[in-house]
Amino acid sequence: KNEVEQSPQNLTAQEGEFITINCSYSVGISALHWLQQHPGGGIVSLFMLSSGKKKHGRLIATINIQEKHSSLHITASHPRDSAVYICAVLLRIGTDKLIFGTGTRLQVFP
Amino acid sequence: DTGVSQDPRHKITKRGQNVTFRCDPISEHNRLYWYRQTLGQGPEFLTYFQNEAQLEKSRLLSDRFSAERPKGSFSTLEIQRTEQGDSAMYLCASSLQGRMNTEAFFGQGTRLTVV
Repeated sequence: KNEVEQSPQNLTAQEGEFITINCSYSVGISALHWLQQHPGGGIVSLFMLSSGKKKHGRLIATINIQEKHSSLHITASHPRDSAVYICAVLLRIGTDKLIFGTGTRLQVFP
Repeated sequence: DTGVSQDPRHKITKRGQNVTFRCDPISEHNRLYWYRQTLGQGPEFLTYFQNEAQLEKSRLLSDRFSAERPKGSFSTLEIQRTEQGDSAMYLCASSLQGRMNTEAFFGQGTRLTVV
């Protein structure tokens, strides 16, 4: 079992729909990252969370440390949101490396 | 533009050849990370540096792989005697150590295809 699990693996939506991507992890963490990866490979950091909720434009990220779960929400989705969204965690103890989920591929159609 | 640059963006090589990739981190960042991503998977950790010191290497990093960061600025990742299984996206990231839970900035990656 992977230490970081994302669901769903693939998601299609119509423009304007509200989207939720989930991330569950099984290890103790000090922070959780939500990342966006477009075709071609480059990764962009969207949020870094250690507690609570963050909002940036149409994106909202929440984390529940007790339940070891985080969600990424996209309001009023747009075709340009189409990308792979990746959850990654930073372990609480020891190493400084990120452990990544396998990503959620989102396609938003006009 | 995240400020982390990788070169080349794409590399096609024949099996058995050696390849070298370069990563230039954001200038004030003292931590530099290499990750590998195969198709349909999330990135996997390979190694990371603090300044010029290589602090951790993954077991994924076989003897054919070597990474350096000689002056604590740019880093190179070399793969010797490439195999088809080495085909992947190689991602570099940098961050500023010394703050709790620092944000990492990623480069565009180098896509390696071994034929």
